[in-house]
Amino acid sequence: SSELTQDPAVSVALGQTVRITCQGDSLRIYYASWYQQKPGQAPVLVFYDKDSRPSGIPDRFSGSRSGNTASLTITGAQAEDEADYYCNSRDSSGDHVVFGGGTKLTVL
Amino acid sequence: EVQLVESGGGLVQPGRSLRLSCAASGFSFDDYAMHWVRQAPGKGLEWVSGIIWNSGALGYADSVKGRFTISRDNAKNSLYLQMNSLRPEDTALYYCVKDVSPKSGTYYFDLWGQGTLVTVSS
Repeated sequence: SSELTQDPAVSVALGQTVRITCQGDSLRIYYASWYQQKPGQAPVLVFYDKDSRPSGIPDRFSGSRSGNTASLTITGAQAEDEADYYCNSRDSSGDHVVFGGGTKLTVL
Repeated sequence: EVQLVESGGGLVQPGRSLRLSCAASGFSFDDYAMHWVRQAPGKGLEWVSGIIWNSGALGYADSVKGRFTISRDNAKNSLYLQMNSLRPEDTALYYCVKDVSPKSGTYYFDLWGQGTLVTVSS
């Protein structure tokens, strides 16, 4: 199965825009989904597929893909966005699911 | 209320078995694919297995294939994970997870339980 690579940590100033990336060969075929996880809580889906945002998720969260890289963009980051973010997709065979290692987002 | 509630976790010795359960409520359980995802303490997420609405398995992670079996009972709105030959590296919080799409699996997970902790240790 293929792997998805994320930067371990990213920081952003309050109110600024931040992009969290996820790289992997399978992303050339499949769209990613993105999960936010705060300490002691279960993950929450924040964006998925080409352009889908679950109800209740602020529209400052958006997703995109270019080549083998998927991105989650937070436009106007808020203090409550500080969390771990994970990407996932099917692997290249389509038979398994792979997660990225996660990115810890700090809002300064 | 739409929710998933896991149970069945605990402390178990290496080589032994454990069966996890997940009770679903607030949505049409038999319409959706379901999955198990685990998270070792302080680590990232790992997909374990998935099952579509009619009990066809979506597959297993290589790390558990041949040892774990996923199943569901739509009449009871329940998902299960039978775990055999447990190893210390199976120690994790196990989440029951709902797929976004009805019927087939998309591997996009829009509803998570709070997890049940499995600890494999002698």
